Amino acid sequence: NAGVTQTPKFRILKIGQSMTLQCTQDMNHNYMYWYRQDPGMGLKLIYYSVGAGITDKGEVPNGYNVSRSTTEDFPLRLELAAPSQTSVYFCASSYLFQGTASSGANVLTFGAGSRLTVL
Amino acid sequence: AQTVTQSQPEMSVQEAETVTLSCTYDTSESDYYLFWYKQPPSRQMILVIRQEAYKQQNATENRFSVNFQKAAKSFSLKISDSQLGDAAMYFCAYREGGSEKLVFGKGTKLTVNP
Repeated sequence: NAGVTQTPKFRILKIGQSMTLQCTQDMNHNYMYWYRQDPGMGLKLIYYSVGAGITDKGEVPNGYNVSRSTTEDFPLRLELAAPSQTSVYFCASSYLFQGTASSGANVLTFGAGSRLTVL
Repeated sequence: AQTVTQSQPEMSVQEAETVTLSCTYDTSESDYYLFWYKQPPSRQMILVIRQEAYKQQNATENRFSVNFQKAAKSFSLKISDSQLGDAAMYFCAYREGGSEKLVFGKGTKLTVNP
């Protein structure tokens, strides 16, 4: 069981460069998320998706784009990298907890994270 | 906006002893869920325990239990019989029912001393 797989694990970018963080899950989860974790802080939601073809902004979406063409994949795109985007990025996926109609109970499965440095 | 506060940046405990990590949250909602996540040095976030706000009974998972005080908006995590493998950052998180947004606290770094 691979779970949630993120690539790359580490990346250094120059200001203005672009890159895509890849995320794939093999659990047939409908929900997928991208979070960033700045030093000494908790995670903040960048974008999320409730199913293929559907994406929505989270708390800190500026400077990022996402797409969800398949259930399995949810790539995060940085178009013009800035030092403020230096962070650890986590992809996560979740299922609807049995016995409740509310997605609030979803349990997230996280990837191992991708450390991005923008110089 | 909902906020989650973890007032202890660092805690330490002796192996085999018990430690309690504090978490308070601010919300005006009645339908919500609370979580504790563990982040070991490997960086991967792992769910420790979950509590539904509508349940009065405190959640328990083996050596991990919570003290959920809804009126006080408090959600502390108790780790019994602490093990070296429990050493990690622990994050308290809140999610409103029907929302995809999981709000995290800043974390508590737990050290387990042999």
